Amino acid sequence: GAVVSQHPSRVICKSGTSVKIECRSLDFQATTMFWYRQFPKQSLMLMATSNEGSKATYEQGVEKDKFLINHASLTLSTLTVTSAHPEDSSFYICSASGDSNQPQHFGDGTRLSIL
Amino acid sequence: GNSVTQMEGPVTLSEEAFLTINCTYTATGYPSLFWYVQYPGEGLQLLLKATKADDKGSNKGFEATYRKETTSFHLEKGSVQVSDSAVYFCALSDNWGKLIFGQGTELSVKP
Repeated sequence: GAVVSQHPSRVICKSGTSVKIECRSLDFQATTMFWYRQFPKQSLMLMATSNEGSKATYEQGVEKDKFLINHASLTLSTLTVTSAHPEDSSFYICSASGDSNQPQHFGDGTRLSIL
Repeated sequence: GNSVTQMEGPVTLSEEAFLTINCTYTATGYPSLFWYVQYPGEGLQLLLKATKADDKGSNKGFEATYRKETTSFHLEKGSVQVSDSAVYFCALSDNWGKLIFGQGTELSVKP
């Protein structure tokens, strides 16, 4: 149980393109979803926390107009990287939790490469 | 603030060797503690967890004990396999469910 599906797994696109990444909880209702960014051989950096039906809470230093997060239902959150540039290339990982007392379950990540 | 510190990698072991990956934390209150594992090109999988002092989390031969007196949550396995090669992350959960990760420790097990 507790499966989180992230799509796509890999994206390669041109600079200036906007890219949408989906995160779905397949067998549970995710009250909260988290979006992380991971640079090569480094730890995960929390970008934002999203609760269903409300605005996402962004971590310090993360541009909310650059990284748009929508959590429209209890099973789906999306991250849109707007007007992506090469410096946005990274591994993006989502996680979902039923509530704050439950462990987070992670998607398999999205490798984003901006040319 | 809350933080997690892990031993630096990479750690290279021979198959069937004993594994210890050290993890210490700084936190206010009583956080839950976790070990996650990440295989190449994949997301994170929860390996084990402990929610209060003296709890022992265990899974797939891995163990870790929540030590409040030493603020530690060291990961151990008695006999590692090649398939255990991965990056291991220690993490704590704050009161709002946010995870704070250590920097990760890469484990490489040679046949």
